[in-house]
Amino acid sequence: GENVEQHPSTLSVQEGDSAVIKCTYSDSASNYFPWYKQELGKRPQLIIDIRSNVGEKKDQRIAVTLNKTAKHFSLHITETQPEDSAVYFCAASSLFSGGYNKLIFGAGTRLAVHP
Amino acid sequence: DAGVIQSPRHEVTEMGQEVTLRCKPISGHDYLFWYRQTMMRGLELLIYFNNNVPIDDSGMPEDRFSAKMPNASFSTLKIQPSEPRDSAVYFCASSRGQGGNEQFFGPGTRLTVL
Repeated sequence: GENVEQHPSTLSVQEGDSAVIKCTYSDSASNYFPWYKQELGKRPQLIIDIRSNVGEKKDQRIAVTLNKTAKHFSLHITETQPEDSAVYFCAASSLFSGGYNKLIFGAGTRLAVHP
Repeated sequence: DAGVIQSPRHEVTEMGQEVTLRCKPISGHDYLFWYRQTMMRGLELLIYFNNNVPIDDSGMPEDRFSAKMPNASFSTLKIQPSEPRDSAVYFCASSRGQGGNEQFFGPGTRLTVL
């Protein structure tokens, strides 16, 4: 089955700097890669996702890149702000025999943005 | 829409007691997922349903755990008997259609088993 590894486990940056979180996956059949943000005590929420037919996707200060050959994808946050502080989870979908791409989550990265 | 609704938000119980967690998915969503989140194991998928039918329960840790979805608007996760190692935050999520669609998470139930 699919296995997703995420690095780093913790990341500390100064406000205004960029942050990069990287994930690798094992199943070459995976074709959907979402990123979720979880603030302290809250639920995970989708912030951006990418499908295997594109290499990069941007949404304001957030971008995700995908390298299918190397089986890794990354989250880039530019001009970080204190409200970006949270745990970020990457995920990959692995096709199940029933036809649904269930999500396999990485272990998470705790991002701290210091003013 | 109110989003995914879970109850209770917090549950404290003693070892050996039965615990029932409840979830109401977003109306119109045909997939429902139960996750468990702990510091040690991260976010784990326990079971998911499609159109009220359990599709994959390979993540259910043991026979003490069971889940049902009697109709499209209600699901339960039951632990009987509960153990201290079951202490975690349990999330319910729902989505519409095939894979590649956003999963919407509920607020979670924080379970503490003493």
